[in-house]
Amino acid sequence: DAGITQSPRHKVTETGTPVTLRCHQTENHRYMYWYRQDPGHGLRLIHYSYGVKDTDKGEVSDGYSVSRSKTEDFLLTLESATSSQTSVYFCAISDGGAQSTNEKLFFGSGTQLSVL
Amino acid sequence: QQQVKQSPQSLIVQKGGISIINCAYENTAFDYFPWYQQFPGKGPALLIAIRPDVSEKKEGRFTISFNKSAKQFSLHIMDSQPGDSATYFCAAGEFGNEKLTFGTGTRLTIIP
Repeated sequence: DAGITQSPRHKVTETGTPVTLRCHQTENHRYMYWYRQDPGHGLRLIHYSYGVKDTDKGEVSDGYSVSRSKTEDFLLTLESATSSQTSVYFCAISDGGAQSTNEKLFFGSGTQLSVL
Repeated sequence: QQQVKQSPQSLIVQKGGISIINCAYENTAFDYFPWYQQFPGKGPALLIAIRPDVSEKKEGRFTISFNKSAKQFSLHIMDSQPGDSATYFCAAGEFGNEKLTFGTGTRLTIIP
């Protein structure tokens, strides 16, 4: 998966606990994204980063925070997990943003998160 | 707010047949329309993409048809094979905006 590692691959947690998902890339790509995938909703952008310490919100950012202290790592944190955050979370990277001429997103293999 | 509407939600096609998935968008500023393919347990992967300066793009058995006036685009899979069974997502993006907006996905099953 294009040098992208997501960890953990599976996580079961309880409502109200904090959870951190990690995305690590070896491609030195500038842009990194966190999506969640849910039946009937497709892929929805949570947060993205366009450089170290540069992040912005996506369409479903409530309840999530992110950090990027190094080019290769992008962390997604659920401060207090809720059952509605049960989902499959995908990290994606790209070299030139979603709109450069030769751009494409490379996705990781996903993290299945269950909040009980 | 669903900016990219995808249909059908699921599709069953006989081997050798043509699979057609449709998407419609609302934002006229969109100028990049990719399709992603996802196999179970994997992340999506770019399949084919089109920009609005052309009405059709073909890569092997996969073709995107684009209708700018109707704000619609579709994926056609010719001679569909069991290995094409996957979930397909259309998406749309806007130049200068780093974000893609995805459709809700179509689960395609090719039966022998």
